[in-house]
Amino acid sequence: QQQVKQSPQSLIVQKGGISIINCAYENTAFDYFPWYQQFPGKGPALLIAIRPDVSEKKEGRFTISFNKSAKQFSLHIMDSQPGDSATYFCAASKSGTASKLTFGTGTRLQVTL
Amino acid sequence: ETGVTQTPRHLVMGMTNKKSLKCEQHLGHNAMYWYKQSAKKPLELMFVYNFKEQTENNSVPSRFSPECPNSSHLFLHLHTLQPEDSALYLCASAQTVTLGEQYFGPGTRLTVT
Repeated sequence: QQQVKQSPQSLIVQKGGISIINCAYENTAFDYFPWYQQFPGKGPALLIAIRPDVSEKKEGRFTISFNKSAKQFSLHIMDSQPGDSATYFCAASKSGTASKLTFGTGTRLQVTL
Repeated sequence: ETGVTQTPRHLVMGMTNKKSLKCEQHLGHNAMYWYKQSAKKPLELMFVYNFKEQTENNSVPSRFSPECPNSSHLFLHLHTLQPEDSALYLCASAQTVTLGEQYFGPGTRLTVT
């Protein structure tokens, strides 16, 4: 049973456009939701994270939107750049186990010129 | 060396071989993790160590044998693998299993022939 469902599997966005990746979770005990970015040949790296006490968190061009009632959260990349081309993973964990993560299946983003 | 390093970066082995993957973290962390990353699947947590003690084994076949001699080093010993074990094996570390973000190494790309 997959506890964190991620979509789309792949995404092509033009430079300057908005990239949107969505995740849905089932376990209501999850209360920490990070996003990881992975470039080819590298391990995943923490990009941005949110806790359910806020509905949105923004860091530069990256924004997480969180909908607790719908059990959904999403990553928005504004003004997408070719350098953002990577695979993005959402994840979730429970309080007190911030470093034990359940991952989504990943979204391969390609930003074209 | 900084962060989390893994060696070798690529490994090809036959089904009857014995090999080991090595992970070293230079972050002063006390928790270390092994993950398996296969295409189009979520990262699969394999093993977790906290202060050198194994705290989790996610029903991993016995042909994978982890070893954690100290908080900075983690090994994954491989023997009698199957072709379906071909994947990217990622090591990660965190401050402890209940505290801090996970930092990933670049992974070892394993091919079983």
